Amino acid sequence: AQTVTQSQPEMSVQEAETVTLSCTYDTSESNYYLFWYKQPPSRQMILVIRQEAYKQQNATENRFSVNFQKAAKSFSLKISDSQLGDTAMYFCAFMKQVSWGKLQFGAGTQVVVTP
Amino acid sequence: GAVVSQHPSWVICKSGTSVKIECRSLDFQATTMFWYRQFPKQSLMLMATSNEGSKATYEQGVEKDKFLINHASLTLSTLTVTSAHPEDSSFYICSAREGRQGSGNTIYFGEGSWLTVV
Repeated sequence: AQTVTQSQPEMSVQEAETVTLSCTYDTSESNYYLFWYKQPPSRQMILVIRQEAYKQQNATENRFSVNFQKAAKSFSLKISDSQLGDTAMYFCAFMKQVSWGKLQFGAGTQVVVTP
Repeated sequence: GAVVSQHPSWVICKSGTSVKIECRSLDFQATTMFWYRQFPKQSLMLMATSNEGSKATYEQGVEKDKFLINHASLTLSTLTVTSAHPEDSSFYICSAREGRQGSGNTIYFGEGSWLTVV
């Protein structure tokens, strides 16, 4: 069984600053994907970034980037130049390649961006 | 882009009654959909995998007789909470995988449905 751990319940960051969210996971799978999802107060799940485990290169999407350390089973998210609209709950998620679409989520980290 | 729509967004029902929540893929065929449950300030927990034309696969600990899932067409999955009780009050979210088997296909989430049982 897989586990996804997010150890930071809440993070606060000022506008334009950088914040890093941590995520660790445990799996015996070889082929898997990792995701960061954002859930704003509207509750709509929004994909932030996705990382294929077989890729060594860290994924980036504009102001969002990950630090994927496969051996350490670590998958952190860095939000640069934080904006007020980044305020949301952020979930780290794991998915086995053979079970495409079936996500296992971490507990979440509430990010609050302050002016 | 592709959209997954849930209906209703909000529903209040009396204890002991049943309530149905629909999950529709609006412009793509979804052979597989997923139902999650989210309690306030908690994470999403997968309840079941809904497969078009076949029985749903439930996660351990989820009562299949209580949470009936039907996936009768390629664009619609329904979750029926039977004999609802206040502890069933929660936020229910569906997601849909575009296309058939194969990794790389985009996953789309519905807007979610709030269920309150009084």
